[in-house]
Amino acid sequence: DSGVTQTPKHLITATGQRVTLRCSPRSGDLSVYWYQQSLDQGLQFLIQYYNGEERAKGNILERFSAQQFPDLHSELNLSSLELGDSALYFCASSADRGMGETQYFGPGTRLLVL
Amino acid sequence: AQKITQTQPGMFVQEKEAVTLDCTYDTSDQSYGLFWYKQPSSGEMIFLIYQGSYDEQNATEGRYSLNFQKARKSANLVISASQLGDSAMYFCAMSRPWGVNTGNQFYFGTGTSLTVIP
Repeated sequence: DSGVTQTPKHLITATGQRVTLRCSPRSGDLSVYWYQQSLDQGLQFLIQYYNGEERAKGNILERFSAQQFPDLHSELNLSSLELGDSALYFCASSADRGMGETQYFGPGTRLLVL
Repeated sequence: AQKITQTQPGMFVQEKEAVTLDCTYDTSDQSYGLFWYKQPSSGEMIFLIYQGSYDEQNATEGRYSLNFQKARKSANLVISASQLGDSAMYFCAMSRPWGVNTGNQFYFGTGTSLTVIP
């Protein structure tokens, strides 16, 4: 158990819908990262937050947005969902924001868009 | 553009033998980090080892070592004394700074599936 929790574990929805994925980092960790893992795209870094502020962006679509709240939990919002958004979405956390920080991954949320 | 290449889609190793998983990377940054992660069939991602671009010594963590050859831009993972529990997908990843005093971007390879044979 990494100490990072993600809810829900599984999510099935329809195209065009909007969903919210939630992540609680390990106690004391200030950085949260979101990743998408799909069969065709592999593992893609989406976004990093540190202590409530956006710090780095990767291949995050405009239809996707995220935020980190004062209690440090984070949410990833996916809207206007398409079939291609079906993937495993990981959240990870680290103590700080340095390049070499060990990231602890949550179990992931498996999203299926029908 | 940043890129991580793992050319071995699948590897087999006999239990108790050592195995090397290849990783090459492409970046024009001077400062970057290299990681290896393990993903068992259960799906979770497990951090194994980290090497900074300015680290002169190869990183080691227990049975894992990272063979860092900066000039060749390679960061191979060596697993010694393989165990059945090492059967998993292994990902090489690179981090690079994004902006000034902000965060870091991460890039992952396509992974190598390792099977340990009893």
